[in-house]
Amino acid sequence: AQSVTQLGSHVSVSEGALVLLRCNYSSSVPPYLFWYVQYPNQGLQLLLKYTSAATLVKGINGFEAEFKKSETSFHLTKPSAHMSDAAEYFCAVNRDGFQKLVFGTGTRLLVSP
Amino acid sequence: SQTIHQWPATLVQPVGSPLSLECTVEGTSNPNLYWYRQAAGRGLQLLFYSVGIGQISSEVPQNLSASRPQDRQFILSSKKLLLSDSGFYLCAWSVAGPGQPQHFGDGTRLSIL
Repeated sequence: AQSVTQLGSHVSVSEGALVLLRCNYSSSVPPYLFWYVQYPNQGLQLLLKYTSAATLVKGINGFEAEFKKSETSFHLTKPSAHMSDAAEYFCAVNRDGFQKLVFGTGTRLLVSP
Repeated sequence: SQTIHQWPATLVQPVGSPLSLECTVEGTSNPNLYWYRQAAGRGLQLLFYSVGIGQISSEVPQNLSASRPQDRQFILSSKKLLLSDSGFYLCAWSVAGPGQPQHFGDGTRLSIL
């Protein structure tokens, strides 16, 4: 069965520092992988998706993620954090060959001045 | 462009009362539709999904039900709410086909007293 694991329920960075949010997946079939961001009391917004094309995927707001099959990872990065990046981030993988998604438990990103 | 609307944004209901949350999608036809619940500090739990009018699949046994009376309308209901039904409810849609991302509404915060 497909699953994702997000290491670290909270990640703290200073403004301008590198952001690295970790996601490891488990899938018996070639996966489709997604990163979403959620601001307080709002729905989830798609940041980027991996669908077996380029392994380095660029998304919105300066985020990108690299698919590494050998490490079963899909970590999210941003070179320089902004205060507005403070939010919760979810990694997800497709499930059962359908568009049902399995979500990780989320990582809350805290950005300090 | 496609949009998704959920209402109400917040709802406070007494235990034992009925529930009806509505979700509508604009700008697309025959979308897949999903209801999720997000408990505080936890990930997303898929409650129901639908691939067409009148076609509802339940993911977990519970006190809730879903209906899809029209192509782009998805309703979450309960006859008698329990305290455990409190949470943040999210509706989402996707285009049919592998690798398609889900797009979320702004959610409904449900508090049961």
